[in-house]
Parts: sequence; structure tokens; C-alpha cells
Amino acid sequence: GAVVSQHPSRVICKSGTSVKIECRSLDFQATTMFWYRQFPKQSLMLMATSNEGSKATYEQGVEKDKFLINHASLTLSTLTVTSAHPEDSSFYICSATPGGAPDTQYFGPGTRLTVL
Amino acid sequence: GQNIDQPTEMTATEGAIVQINCTYQTSGFNGLFWYQQHAGEAPTFLSYNVLDGLEEKGRFSSFLSRSKGYSYLLLKELQMKDSASYLCAVMDSNYQLIWGAGTKLIIKP
Repeated sequence: GAVVSQHPSRVICKSGTSVKIECRSLDFQATTMFWYRQFPKQSLMLMATSNEGSKATYEQGVEKDKFLINHASLTLSTLTVTSAHPEDSSFYICSATPGGAPDTQYFGPGTRLTVL
Repeated sequence: GQNIDQPTEMTATEGAIVQINCTYQTSGFNGLFWYQQHAGEAPTFLSYNVLDGLEEKGRFSSFLSRSKGYSYLLLKELQMKDSASYLCAVMDSNYQLIWGAGTKLIIKP
């Protein structure tokens, strides 16, 4: 089956630093990747949608200058949390959609970010 | 290895009851989630079980048996709007989510 990986699985950083999270589709090409964040026991919240080679589309209320998304290839998207603050501590999950199957999303295992 | 199994597709009739099963094998267990996802939309949280037993929320209930590595989502009084994919996900000992492939539920009048 389709596999999506994320790296790192967990990261702890100091306030004010930047953190990069990678999302990779391991056995398929992902024309579209999605980034979500999830607070404990709450729903996934879509942050942005990225298509390979174009700028990401951010959901309302998500700061694009703070959450930088780069979808450089059909198998890799990165999310960079710039100048992280404690309120950015959350669980970040990516998903990827294979070309030709727009309704199918394969989810990564998530990255737990803790900002001290 | 770690895996989550759930049926690919199920069909039910409006007004009826449907049970979507999920079995899992993971390294450790820190809770099981059910999500509903309509086509083209982000998943929405339905339930979280970490202890054995049944959790009821209106028309939806979720059951967990940790010893059997088994959960089910029960939907009662089905409505057409319940047509969606239902995703089962388990949080393992490293607090990573292991996702099932989802069950597409089709509701017929």
C-alpha cells in the first residue's frame, strides 16, 4: 500500500528557533500534499494544501510567513515553523494524494513538536 | 510490523445501523481514533478510545477491546450525509499515528 513518512517523529526546540518537518511519499508520486495540525483529542485542522511546483494554499487564519511550505518534488514536501513559540506546540500531520486519485489521502505518522 | 485493517467499502440503507470494524497490531498503544472524511475535505474527529468499552456520542458509538486489538464504530439511524470515508488510527508507544486506509460508507435511500 501507499506509504507516507514524516521526519522527525518528534522534536523539541527552544522558543524563537525554526523547525523543518519533512513529508515523503515513499512508493507513489504525490501531486498534492496536505498539512494538518492537531491539538490533543481534537480534530485535524487543515493548515495548507500544496501542489508540486506551485505555491501552497493556506487556510484562513494560518500565517504563511510563519509556516513555510515547499513542495519541491512529487515525493517531498516540507513544513518549516519559523520563530517557533510555545503555542506552536502541536502534532503536525501530512497527507499525500497520488496523481489521478484526488479523493484518496494517505496520512503520515505525524510529528510532535514541543516548543520550550 | 504495524498495521491497521478495516474494510475498504460498506453499503447500508438510510435509517439502518452499520458497524465498521477496525483491527490493529501496533508497537504499544496510546489510544484509537475514528475520523470521518467527506470527499475533498479534511477529516473530522469522531471519537477517541483509550480504555476498553463503549463510548456513545449521539448517533455514533465507538468500542474498544485492547486485548483483542479491535475497535468498531457504530452508526445508528443512518442519514444520507453519513456517506463518507471513516478512518481508524492508532497512536503507538512513540505517540505516532498509524492510519488505516479508511472505509468508504455508501448510504442508499
